[in-house]
Amino acid sequence: GAVVSQHPSWVICKSGTSVKIECRSLDFQATTMFWYRQFPKQSLMLMATSNEGSKATYEQGVEKDKFLINHASLTLSTLTVTSAHPEDSSFYICSASPVTSSYNEQFFGPGTRLTVL
Amino acid sequence: GQNIDQPTEMTATEGAIVQINCTYQTSGFNGLFWYQQHAGEAPTFLSYNVLDGLEEKGRFSSFLSRSKGYSYLLLKELQMKDSASYLCAVMDSNYQLIWGAGTKLIIKP
Repeated sequence: GAVVSQHPSWVICKSGTSVKIECRSLDFQATTMFWYRQFPKQSLMLMATSNEGSKATYEQGVEKDKFLINHASLTLSTLTVTSAHPEDSSFYICSASPVTSSYNEQFFGPGTRLTVL
Repeated sequence: GQNIDQPTEMTATEGAIVQINCTYQTSGFNGLFWYQQHAGEAPTFLSYNVLDGLEEKGRFSSFLSRSKGYSYLLLKELQMKDSASYLCAVMDSNYQLIWGAGTKLIIKP
């Protein structure tokens, strides 16, 4: 159980375009979903925490107008990278915490590798 | 500030035992997690400790000492597939995960 999917797995886009990444909890409901970014050989960096039906909470230094997060249901959150630039190229990973979790563990999606040309 | 420290890299031999240490300083404590991350993949959950002591799960065990702000992950009977990064993460008083930079474990035949 506790499977999280992400789509797409990888995407290449031109500079200036927008890219949407979907994160779904397949077999559980998630009140809270998290979006991370990871650069090569570095640790996970939390970008934002999203709660179903409310605005996302962004970490310091993360531009909320650039990284749009929507958490419309208990099983789906989306991250849209607007006007992407080469420096946005990274591995984006989402995670979800089951509503029924006893200790708030996070289950991770497989990640989306974004390359901006 | 909040801080998680773990070694950057470790090397061990197939079939041996390795211990990966993690020390932390956080605002509050609601548990410590260990995750495994293979290159190019997302992390997978290994263990959770919230009380002092040792939690054993097959070849992997995790230990916690809250008074010392210290945990370790013990891997026994190492296999080549255990080559990965191991991430230590602490959940603070706001239930936010604070991540360590990860320990890259290299297994040699």
